[in-house]
Amino acid sequence: NAGVTQTPKFQVLKTGQSMTLQCAQDMNHEYMSWYRQDPGMGLRLIHYSVGAGITDQGEVPNGYNVSRSTTEDFPLRLLSAAPSQTSVYFCASTTGPHGYTEAFFGQGTRLTVV
Amino acid sequence: SQELEQSPQSLIVQEGKNLTINCTSSKTLYGLYWYKQKYGEGLIFLMMLQKGGEEKSHEKITAKLDEKKQQSSLHITASQPSHAGIYLCGADFRWGKLQFGAGTQVVVTP
Repeated sequence: NAGVTQTPKFQVLKTGQSMTLQCAQDMNHEYMSWYRQDPGMGLRLIHYSVGAGITDQGEVPNGYNVSRSTTEDFPLRLLSAAPSQTSVYFCASTTGPHGYTEAFFGQGTRLTVV
Repeated sequence: SQELEQSPQSLIVQEGKNLTINCTSSKTLYGLYWYKQKYGEGLIFLMMLQKGGEEKSHEKITAKLDEKKQQSSLHITASQPSHAGIYLCGADFRWGKLQFGAGTQVVVTP
């Protein structure tokens, strides 16, 4: 099983550019989430989804958009990149309302905005 | 997450000594997760607790969830260099909203 796949692994953007971070899971998980990790801050929740067509904001949603058109994919869009969005981004998925299991994480995307 | 307080922020422990990390919330936790992360790498799943009073162990690591499901602890017995890293607790507060504490950095000295 591939688990949770994030692409790209590394990215450098110029201020004002837009881009999409991809996240895909092949475990038929209903719940998916995006996090950013900054030094000393742990993982902060950006957006999450409890199923196709349903998304909600987390702790730090400003500057990011998400959509969930399929169960498998949950892309994160940066609308106009800012240096403050330099961070490591993680995508995660869990089974959802049928019982809690391990939250599976992607390997992360290291984003630098210059 | 301000809803999940993790302590201490960092700790240094001599090899062979025990250590404990705490994770506390003012709200009831539905699913409490412990992860470990090496600097610059991904997250390694350690344990998940669901029921009040639940306790799980794996090798030298034990995690507990209190009866009220508002506090969890992670205890490492006889620490080794391989236990060094960042430990993160995460909790599902409601329908799919999985949030994490700020993490505890563990350094193991010879």
